[in-house]
Amino acid sequence: EVQLVQSGAEVKKPGESLKISCKGSGYSFTSYWIGWVRQMPGKGLEWMGIIYPGDSDTRYSPSFQGQVTISADKSISTAYLQWSSLKASDTAMYYCASSIVGLFDYWGQGTLVTVSS
Amino acid sequence: QSALTQPASVSGSPGQSITISCTGTSSDVGSYNLVSWYQQHPGKAPKLMIYEVSKRPSGVSNRFSGSKSGNTASLTISGLQAEDEADYYCCSYAGSSTSFYVFGTGTKVTVL
Repeated sequence: EVQLVQSGAEVKKPGESLKISCKGSGYSFTSYWIGWVRQMPGKGLEWMGIIYPGDSDTRYSPSFQGQVTISADKSISTAYLQWSSLKASDTAMYYCASSIVGLFDYWGQGTLVTVSS
Repeated sequence: QSALTQPASVSGSPGQSITISCTGTSSDVGSYNLVSWYQQHPGKAPKLMIYEVSKRPSGVSNRFSGSKSGNTASLTISGLQAEDEADYYCCSYAGSSTSFYVFGTGTKVTVL
């Protein structure tokens, strides 16, 4: 069974750093892209970026380029999304999803990030 | 890359059919047959319902169908059921030299 399990909810202060994770199992982690999607409270889905764990090829949405860093450790089948300095506007639910070209087939359960002073 | 345009809400009675449109540009929807649709119930992760414009993943009801004409894709739900009440998002591949993917603005489907 394919599963993507994300790390737990986080509460952070503005300016703090954060790294959340997404662990894949039940499939060949290095053979599929992993994408990250943001959903701000009460809002729609926004594609942030995507990584191919096999060779770490990473692409970002222009809206998120420079704002976050996507990485992966294929030895432990885990992808990451990180911020160096959080803002209140980063408060959102973040989903990871496995992807082949054109679709996101399996999704993690989501990680809620709350940034508040 | 701007979000694909969807109607904010669509409603229908049980048993009826509804159609949700998803309008993009010649750079995304119009260029690739790589439009997918996702269903999201409140508090849940999105679920893939349609991929490559009109294909259904295993386990998805055949009441869901997709199509595309020019820069506009559509999702049709036939025989509307109470469990279909959810938010629906389209997504299009936009090319590896641009933003890769773009989601739609989302449509709230209400079963009357």
